Amino acid sequence: NAGVTQTPKFQVLKTGQSMTLQCAQDMNHEYMSWYRQDPGMGLRLIHYSVGAGITDQGEVPNGYNVSRSTTEDFPLRLLSAAPSQTSVYFCASSYSIQDYGYTFGSGTRLTVV
Amino acid sequence: GENVEQHPSTLSVQEGDSAVIKCTYSDSASNYFPWYKQELGKRPQLIIDIRSNVGEKKDQRIAVTLNKTAKHFSLHITETQPEDSAVYFCAASGYSGGGADGLTFGKGTHLIIQP
Repeated sequence: NAGVTQTPKFQVLKTGQSMTLQCAQDMNHEYMSWYRQDPGMGLRLIHYSVGAGITDQGEVPNGYNVSRSTTEDFPLRLLSAAPSQTSVYFCASSYSIQDYGYTFGSGTRLTVV
Repeated sequence: GENVEQHPSTLSVQEGDSAVIKCTYSDSASNYFPWYKQELGKRPQLIIDIRSNVGEKKDQRIAVTLNKTAKHFSLHITETQPEDSAVYFCAASGYSGGGADGLTFGKGTHLIIQP
C-alpha cells in the first residue's frame, strides 16, 4: 500500500514549456485534488475530482488542466508554464470530499525560469 | 465559498508549556474541521479532526475545540516537545453553489518549541 505517489519530486521548466505532474493512489479513494503551496499563502486548491470522469475547478485553476480517466490517477497539466507557477504542488486523496482527512503525496517542487 | 482565518502566524513557546492555535471560518454550513502538521520539507499529515456534532476531542497531548455559534475552532497542544516544532494548518469543509467543494485551509502557524 503506497498511499499517494507523486512524480517528479523536483522539476525546472522554462517559461512557455508544458508538463504533466503525475499523481496516483492505491487506496480506492473517490476524491482527489491538487493544491499549491506558496510561502505565507497556505494550501490553495487548484482542481479536484469526486470520481472518475468528474473534475471541477478550485480557487486557483487558471493555467492548469486535469482529467480523471481512472479512480487511481489524477494528473495535473501545466499548459504554458509561467514564473508565477513556481510553487510546491501537493496531490491529496480521500474517501470523500470533506468528511474525512486527506492523505497527501510527498509533493513536487516546481521552478519556472 | 469558505474563508478560514488562522492565528497566530508564528508561535514560540518554551518546551513543556502549552500552545494554542486558533481558526475562524465563515460558512455556517461547514461541518468538518481537520488539523494538519507539516514538518520542514515534508507533506502535511492529519493529526486530529472534529465534526460539528462534537464540541471537543482529545488524542493524548493534542485536543481540538469547536464553537459553532462563534464559528471558531482551536488546537491545543500540552507539554510541548521539540518534535512538535512544525507548521500547523487548520481547515474547514466548504460549500458553494449548493455543492461541497472540499477543504479550505488556513495560512498556517509556524510553531517553534524553545529548549
